[in-house]
Amino acid sequence: GNSVTQMEGPVTLSEEAFLTINCTYTATGYPSLFWYVQYPGEGLQLLLKATKADDKGSNKGFEATYRKETTSFHLEKGSVQVSDSAVYFCALNEGGGADGLTFGKGTHLIIQP
Amino acid sequence: DARVTQTPRHKVTEMGQEVTMRCQPILGHNTVFWYRQTMMQGLELLAYFRNRAPLDDSGMPKDRFSAEMPDATLATLKIQPSEPRDSAVYFCATQAKNNSPLHFGNGTRLTVT
Repeated sequence: GNSVTQMEGPVTLSEEAFLTINCTYTATGYPSLFWYVQYPGEGLQLLLKATKADDKGSNKGFEATYRKETTSFHLEKGSVQVSDSAVYFCALNEGGGADGLTFGKGTHLIIQP
Repeated sequence: DARVTQTPRHKVTEMGQEVTMRCQPILGHNTVFWYRQTMMQGLELLAYFRNRAPLDDSGMPKDRFSAEMPDATLATLKIQPSEPRDSAVYFCATQAKNNSPLHFGNGTRLTVT
């Protein structure tokens, strides 16, 4: 079956540091890949997505590249802000049918001023 | 900005009581998902509907959980009888079409004592 593995948290960084959150996946077909972000007390929001190999998704300074050869979709940001503190989820959708998303367990990011 | 609305936001109940959680999908979104989020298990897919028809409820304990969609503007998730291990945040998410992003509500935080 499908699965998503992402680095465990919490990840604590200082403001303006470089961020990488690793995500690898297992899928039988050719999935679409997503990063969602969850702020305290809220539901998940789509941050970015990529639908095929070598696509780069980007939004709000975050980016991730769909790497089929390494089955990875690592999230990066060059300079984080305190407001980026949240839980980040990597997810995949196998496509074809709307069977929802398979999520990783989430990575709690804490940015200190 | 269209959003998924979930009620109630918080629910505290005693073991054995019935709990009903409600979700109002975004108008025009034909697929509705129910997820449960806990610290230990992360996000788990419980059930989902397309065009109001249940497609998969294999993630749901059938002896006590039931999900319905009486009309296109309302999805419900019921637990009867509730148990302390059901304590979690329950999210409804909707999707406009296959492979499009999921839109999440802000969740119902359930505490069963």
